[in-house]
Amino acid sequence: SAVISQKPSRDICQRGTSLTIQCQVDSQVTMMFWYRQQPGQSLTLIATANQGSEATYESGFVIDKFPISRPNLTFSTLTVSNMSPEDSSIYLCSAGQLQYGYTFGSGTRLTVV
Amino acid sequence: GENVEQHPSTLSVQEGDSAVIKCTYSDSASNYFPWYKQELGKRPQLIIDIRSNVGEKKDQRIAVTLNKTAKHFSLHITETQPEDSAVYFCAASISSGSARQLTFGSGTQLTVLP
Repeated sequence: SAVISQKPSRDICQRGTSLTIQCQVDSQVTMMFWYRQQPGQSLTLIATANQGSEATYESGFVIDKFPISRPNLTFSTLTVSNMSPEDSSIYLCSAGQLQYGYTFGSGTRLTVV
Repeated sequence: GENVEQHPSTLSVQEGDSAVIKCTYSDSASNYFPWYKQELGKRPQLIIDIRSNVGEKKDQRIAVTLNKTAKHFSLHITETQPEDSAVYFCAASISSGSARQLTFGSGTQLTVLP
């Protein structure tokens, strides 16, 4: 299974600022996924990041708010822009292969004050 | 899109007893069903998965069953231990090119009482 390194693990940010979260995978993967998990809740898919093309966003998430980069087959970033307290959450990336299943990064706990 | 419902939301069992968590899905095209275990403050970990061409899969104390006709699948944990206490999420997926987008259930908080 893919091993994913995610950073930062946590951050406290001022409203109106932006935070970029990075994920590095130990193998080449076609797609990477970004999720949000509110405390005590399930995982909600934000977007799918495909190398060489624009990310595909789920309903309720837009590129201006959550720009994503995917410069190569092992790396992706998610930026949370113009943050408000409602953006406080845990953000997770995921990747893998069809035959081996999908694993998650360790998550980024974001608090916006 | 796909919708996954998971029950129960909380489950308490005595150590050594069995635990069963059930999920239903809406899209008959879904063909991959993983289960994740998430301990407090940790990332979700894949514990078992099943593809639509099989009806049951076992891995030691964990088993998953799939009923494609009824569109439901279940996680069975036997001989539960305190370290099985965690939140369990089911998910369903439709292949999208070379990767899968997962739709998650709402989660089940399993508590194993010593």
